[in-house]
Amino acid sequence: EAGVTQFPSHSVIEKGQTVTLRCDPISGHDNLYWYRRVMGKEIKFLLHFVKESKQDESGMPNNRFLAERTGGTYSTLKVQPAELEDSGVYFCASSRSGGVITETQYFGPGTRLLVL
Amino acid sequence: AQSVTQLDSQVPVFEEAPVELRCNYSSSVSVYLFWYVQYPNQGLQLLLKYLSGSTLVKGINGFEAEFNKSQTSFHLRKPSVHISDTAEYFCAVISFQKLVFGTGTRLLVSP
Repeated sequence: EAGVTQFPSHSVIEKGQTVTLRCDPISGHDNLYWYRRVMGKEIKFLLHFVKESKQDESGMPNNRFLAERTGGTYSTLKVQPAELEDSGVYFCASSRSGGVITETQYFGPGTRLLVL
Repeated sequence: AQSVTQLDSQVPVFEEAPVELRCNYSSSVSVYLFWYVQYPNQGLQLLLKYLSGSTLVKGINGFEAEFNKSQTSFHLRKPSVHISDTAEYFCAVISFQKLVFGTGTRLLVSP
């Protein structure tokens, strides 16, 4: 079974540009999460999809961030326009269906974003 | 809101020595705790989790953790570490179906 995959692995962009990150969850996983780790700080929750619906987007920093999950499969996270403070590692995770809050979340390798 | 604290940002240890990585959580009626590990250039991998039942939880790669309600702790231990255990370790708690992480502890194992 393939794990969670993320693309690209690294991205270097200039301030003001747009970047789109992609996450492919484990097949059959209804829950998809985005997290972010800014350098030197803790990993923080951004948002949670259940299938194609946003269950919780309380962690999204501002309206420059837009997440989508069309068809309930892969997800994209777009940052537009990017700012210096958006630099960090963006992790995607997925878990199986159901409302079991203790279901294991499986993480991807992350996308390292550097905004110059 | 639930939270966890990892007081040690870095723990150096010699190979084959025992190690303990500390984690304290904010008190709550029900708490579900996790330890994840991130090896260099890889994603986060679940080491173990405590949901209920036995307070001693065994995980992968010889790690174990003990849930201590009176001390609100969930420390991770390994009796004898290997060079390959060099990684960053994250304690986390579930809060409204999302993981809340500590700041991480870098375990540095040297020969």
